[in-house]
Amino acid sequence: AQTVTQSQPEMSVQEAETVTLSCTYDTSESDYYLFWYKQPPSRQMILVIRQEAYKQQNATENRFSVNFQKAAKSFSLKISDSQLGDAAMYFCAYKYSGGGADGLTFGKGTHLIIQP
Amino acid sequence: NAGVMQNPRHLVRRRGQEARLRCSPMKGHSHVYWYRQLPEEGLKFMVYLQKENIIDESGMPKERFSAEFPKEGPSILRIQQVVRGDSAAYFCASSSRPQRESYNSPLHFGNGTRLTVT
Repeated sequence: AQTVTQSQPEMSVQEAETVTLSCTYDTSESDYYLFWYKQPPSRQMILVIRQEAYKQQNATENRFSVNFQKAAKSFSLKISDSQLGDAAMYFCAYKYSGGGADGLTFGKGTHLIIQP
Repeated sequence: NAGVMQNPRHLVRRRGQEARLRCSPMKGHSHVYWYRQLPEEGLKFMVYLQKENIIDESGMPKERFSAEFPKEGPSILRIQQVVRGDSAAYFCASSSRPQRESYNSPLHFGNGTRLTVT
């Protein structure tokens, strides 16, 4: 079974600084997708960034980028120029790309605090 | 352009009662997924439905839980004879295509229903 591990229950960063959130996963598959979701206090799950495992190039979305290390099964999220609105729970998620796999597997989350 | 709508937002039930959670997917979406989030945990997949069909219920507890997505109306997650351990946030997500087929058809989540069992 696939597992996703986020080893940092909480992280704190000064506004405008850069922070990196860690995520590792365990799978025997070679084709899969990885995601980072943000969950603000409103509870809504918002997709931040996604990565296809077969792509070597790291995904980037504005201030958000990932460091995808397939051999190490690591998928960290870097947030540059942190803003107060980035404060939220961040969840790393995995999905097998093959048939029969309909659900995402989520980590337990990292609570990101932005210090003004 | 409404997103995924879930209601109620909060639901309190006494042990032994039934809980019914509703989810209206985004317009044009016929694929619905239910997830459960226990306190201090990530979301856990429960069930995937397409109109009138349960496609994958591998994450659904075998007893007391059921889900439906009728031809007309919202998807319903029903929990019978609730127990304290059912207290959690229940999220619904929808997509325009099956997740198993399309990476580029992202999931859109609702704001969840927080169920409290007293």
